[in-house]
Amino acid sequence: AQKVTQAQTEISVVEKEDVTLDCVYETRDTTYYLFWYKQPPSGELVFLIRRNSFDEQNEISGRYSWNFQKSTSSFNFTITASQVVDSAVYFCALSYNQAGTALIFGKGTTLSVSS
Amino acid sequence: GAVVSQHPSWVICKSGTSVKIECRSLDFQATTMFWYRQFPKQSLMLMATSNEGSKATYEQGVEKDKFLINHASLTLSTLTVTSAHPEDSSFYICSASKFSYGYTFGSGTRLTVV
Repeated sequence: AQKVTQAQTEISVVEKEDVTLDCVYETRDTTYYLFWYKQPPSGELVFLIRRNSFDEQNEISGRYSWNFQKSTSSFNFTITASQVVDSAVYFCALSYNQAGTALIFGKGTTLSVSS
Repeated sequence: GAVVSQHPSWVICKSGTSVKIECRSLDFQATTMFWYRQFPKQSLMLMATSNEGSKATYEQGVEKDKFLINHASLTLSTLTVTSAHPEDSSFYICSASKFSYGYTFGSGTRLTVV
């Protein structure tokens, strides 16, 4: 069975601090895809990144970076120099397909960034 | 990019009435559509998976007679909450998927049953 664990329920930081959101996954499939989504108070899910199981390269996009480690089944997300606009709920998700099978979501981490 | 339109954004209905939520992929034909429900401060829970022209597959614990899903075309899926009760109040969000597009989510529908 597939499972995604986001152990951090809530994180509070002050602006300009760096923050890492943890994501640990379980799957027996050798091919799978990992995702991160941001859900601001409006409720809409904002896609951040998709990674397949064969690509362990870390990725950086502006202030966002992701660290994928198959050895520890983790796909952690770091926000550098956090801003108030980063305040949201962040979900990590897993699928064994690019499309066609449902995403399995973690419980989410609520990030609060204060000024 | 891929866009999924979900309507209405919010709806208030009286207990016992039915509510229909539409999920439409605007610029691609979705192979599969998914419906999720999210209670406050909780994660997204998959309700059902639907493929065009076939019956939806419901997750365990989801009443298929209460949550009717119709996927009549490759661009439209509807979720009808029948005989809604206050405990059905929730945030419902759809997702459309296609191999080359991945997953695209609608903006969600906030349902309040009074």
